[in-house]
Amino acid sequence: KAGVTQTPRYLIKTRGQQVTLSCSPISGHRSVSWYQQTPGQGLQFLFEYFSETQRNKGNFPGRFSGRQFSNSRSEMNVSTLELGDSALYLCASSLPTGTADNEQFFGPGTRLTVL
Amino acid sequence: AQRVTQPEKLLSVFKGAPVELKCNYSYSGSPELFWYVQYSRQRLQLLLRHISRESIKGFTADLNKGETSFHLKKPFAQEEDSAMYYCALTTHTGGFKTIFGAGTRLFVKA
Repeated sequence: KAGVTQTPRYLIKTRGQQVTLSCSPISGHRSVSWYQQTPGQGLQFLFEYFSETQRNKGNFPGRFSGRQFSNSRSEMNVSTLELGDSALYLCASSLPTGTADNEQFFGPGTRLTVL
Repeated sequence: AQRVTQPEKLLSVFKGAPVELKCNYSYSGSPELFWYVQYSRQRLQLLLRHISRESIKGFTADLNKGETSFHLKKPFAQEEDSAMYYCALTTHTGGFKTIFGAGTRLFVKA
């Protein structure tokens, strides 16, 4: 079974630009979560999608948005990039067990650098 | 507010010594707690979850609701245990939300 894939793996942007990151979950997984990982803040929850609906959101500004398609693939978008948005963005997928004790499977991440 | 605290950034032990990675959480509801591990050049992956009460690679973790702790333990550390360990809490209120601790880097010396 193929794992979670994320594209692109590396990205360099300049301040003020926008960026779209993509995540393909494991086949059959319908829940997709996004995280931002930085040396200073660690792993922070961005949002979770299930069946094309955002069900939960972390404490990030509205510049961070996402969506999920009918095939469960997900994208996240960051508009008006700031230097502080430089981070590793991780995507994780899980089965819809209906409870919180579900294992998340992580992708390799997209390393975003904002200059 | 939900919070996960891992007080040690780095833990260094000798091979064969016992190891304990500390994790404390803050959550008013019934928590679902996990330990995730990231080995060098590998993805973040699940090590164990409290609900399954199992031992994985010799590691165990017991949920102590009174002390709001979920410490990870192994009686005899191995060099291959060297990795970054994250304690995580997942809530299910309308959707899933996972809060991670800052992580503890375990270094097992030969």
